[in-house]
Amino acid sequence: DIVLTQSPDSLAVSLGERATINCKSSQSVFYSSNNKNFLAWYQQKPGQPPKLLLYWASTRESGVPDRFSGSESGTDFTLTISSLQAEDVAVYYCQQYYSIPQTFGQGTKVEIK
Amino acid sequence: QLQLQESGPGLVKPSETLSLTCTVSGGSIKSGSYYWGWIRQPPGKGLEWIGSIFYSGTTYYNPSLESRITISVDTSNNQFSLKLRSVTAADTAIYYCTDLVATGTGRGYSDFWGQGTLVTVSS
Repeated sequence: DIVLTQSPDSLAVSLGERATINCKSSQSVFYSSNNKNFLAWYQQKPGQPPKLLLYWASTRESGVPDRFSGSESGTDFTLTISSLQAEDVAVYYCQQYYSIPQTFGQGTKVEIK
Repeated sequence: QLQLQESGPGLVKPSETLSLTCTVSGGSIKSGSYYWGWIRQPPGKGLEWIGSIFYSGTTYYNPSLESRITISVDTSNNQFSLKLRSVTAADTAIYYCTDLVATGTGRGYSDFWGQGTLVTVSS
């Protein structure tokens, strides 16, 4: 199984400041046939199902604010919230859909400082 | 847009079979653009992918659960189902049904989720 390790486990950021979450994959999730990384990011608020934020590592889902962005470098992936808003308090998960079983990172909890 | 809704018992006894159904609305389960999947989340913990199914009935399972699960599809009712046999307390979780935007065989990212249903395994 592909193991995704997120860091940090939690972080507290002031409103309007940048939040950065990392996700490291135990192996490549890059598929050369379409030149894409098979990685998604989700946001989960208490009592709600996860919500898709990004897919193909950096493509924003429709309706997701542009303060959310994704980047990639080899097997390292980053979710950045450029200016944290109160409604961004949540747990964030990365997920690989490169191979079965699809796996998730352990989650990163984002809070307001 | 798609809507998914899980249904089934919220309490299952140890060693028995957990059975859940997901009803899809707002689109056809026979769309070739999607797989249909189950993901679970123990209370306060992370997400675990259980498995997926194509409308043709082809299934893809998490090897860690494969010996105990069956996922099936009912295209006439736009539903798919999960059966998990021989449950223990470790199977207590919120169970979500999702679509999987098909990006590869049995795989994809999930852009629509059910609200989830808590299944507790207890005598």
